[in-house]
Amino acid sequence: GQNIDQPTEMTATEGAIVQINCTYQTSGFNGLFWYQQHAGEAPTFLSYNVLDGLEEKGRFSSFLSRSKGYSYLLLKELQMKDSASYLCAVRDSNYQLIWGAGTKLIIKP
Amino acid sequence: DAMVIQNPRYQVTQFGKPVTLSCSQTLNHNVMYWYQQKSSQAPKLLFHYYDKDFNNEADTPDNFQSRRPNTSFCFLDIRSPGLGDAAMYLCATSREGGESYEQYFGPGTRLTVT
Repeated sequence: GQNIDQPTEMTATEGAIVQINCTYQTSGFNGLFWYQQHAGEAPTFLSYNVLDGLEEKGRFSSFLSRSKGYSYLLLKELQMKDSASYLCAVRDSNYQLIWGAGTKLIIKP
Repeated sequence: DAMVIQNPRYQVTQFGKPVTLSCSQTLNHNVMYWYQQKSSQAPKLLFHYYDKDFNNEADTPDNFQSRRPNTSFCFLDIRSPGLGDAAMYLCATSREGGESYEQYFGPGTRLTVT
């Protein structure tokens, strides 16, 4: 079966750095996405990785290792508005998105 | 601004009373998706359209149906809503052939079944 694993919840302090991990087992791989979802709202696109390595976009970076079936999302200089769920999703060989359940990130002052 | 629009944002229906949720897009994307998302869970794909080609996920209940009359609009029909169908329903679009095929989501419709 296809599976995406990420921690259910994480807590971090305003101004700090947090890393959210995602491991996956899918039938094929055609890219990995990170989405941010605030409570009661729709997911919004954060990043896309299809090759190994680090993609940096402002305060957010995403890393991929295809051989390990592993990705992480790194958030720097945390702000209170970063409190949200972060969803990892992998596009499989059929170009369908397999979604993780999301990691709820709680930012404390 | 190009966007994905869902109406209504909040819908209350009675148990067993048919309901239709609508989605429109100004992005001119050829793929449209309907997801169901319950609290603290991953979005669950119900259907997707690749142009006019309809794709039904194997585990989508028969109670759920969809229509896409043209490129811009897509509808989700729930024929006889049950209490377990209360959820957020998300419409998304993507452009196949684009660089990353990222999906753009509408704001969602939160369905309550009484």
